[in-house]
Amino acid sequence: NAGVMQNPRHLVRRRGQEARLRCSPMKGHSHVYWYRQLPEEGLKFMVYLQKENIIDESGMPKERFSAEFPKEGPSILRIQQVVRGDSAAYFCASFKGAENTEAFFGQGTRLTVV
Amino acid sequence: AQTVTQSQPEMSVQEAETVTLSCTYDTSENNYYLFWYKQPPSRQMILVIRQEAYKQQNATENRFSVNFQKAAKSFSLKISDSQLGDTAMYFCAFMKQLNNDMRFGAGTRLTVKP
Repeated sequence: NAGVMQNPRHLVRRRGQEARLRCSPMKGHSHVYWYRQLPEEGLKFMVYLQKENIIDESGMPKERFSAEFPKEGPSILRIQQVVRGDSAAYFCASFKGAENTEAFFGQGTRLTVV
Repeated sequence: AQTVTQSQPEMSVQEAETVTLSCTYDTSENNYYLFWYKQPPSRQMILVIRQEAYKQQNATENRFSVNFQKAAKSFSLKISDSQLGDTAMYFCAFMKQLNNDMRFGAGTRLTVKP
């Protein structure tokens, strides 16, 4: 059983480019969370998705950031026109269902904006 | 909104000794879950221990135990017989029941010294 897979592990983008971060949840899991972690800080909630639905995006900036979790394929966190302040580690966690409390985390994608 | 506070940014302990990490939270919910996660330098988030709020008995997992004080909204982690491999960031997390809404504290960096 593969765990939560995030790719790429490291991503370098120039200011103004787009960043696409992918998260493949555990097999059978239909709930995905995205978190951002700045250096020396905790994980900050960004968005909660179920298949084809955004449940809570209150932690995600209104501009430039978007997320999706299609019926088929991985969840995508998309950052348009990246700025240096977007540099961080982005983690994805998956849950099996709404009443299941065990979160499985990916190893994160470290985004560096140069 | 739920908040999780870890008031100790850094702590250290001698190998084989015991250390306690503090966590407090604020919520109006009655049913919820609390977690401690460990993040070693590899960045992988590893679940250390979990506590259901409806259980009065403190959770224990080998050398790890918690002191859950529901009325005080306190959830501390005790690590006994500390080992060098325990060196990591430790995050306290809160989850509302039934919707997987998990929020993290800012973390405590624990160093175990030989």
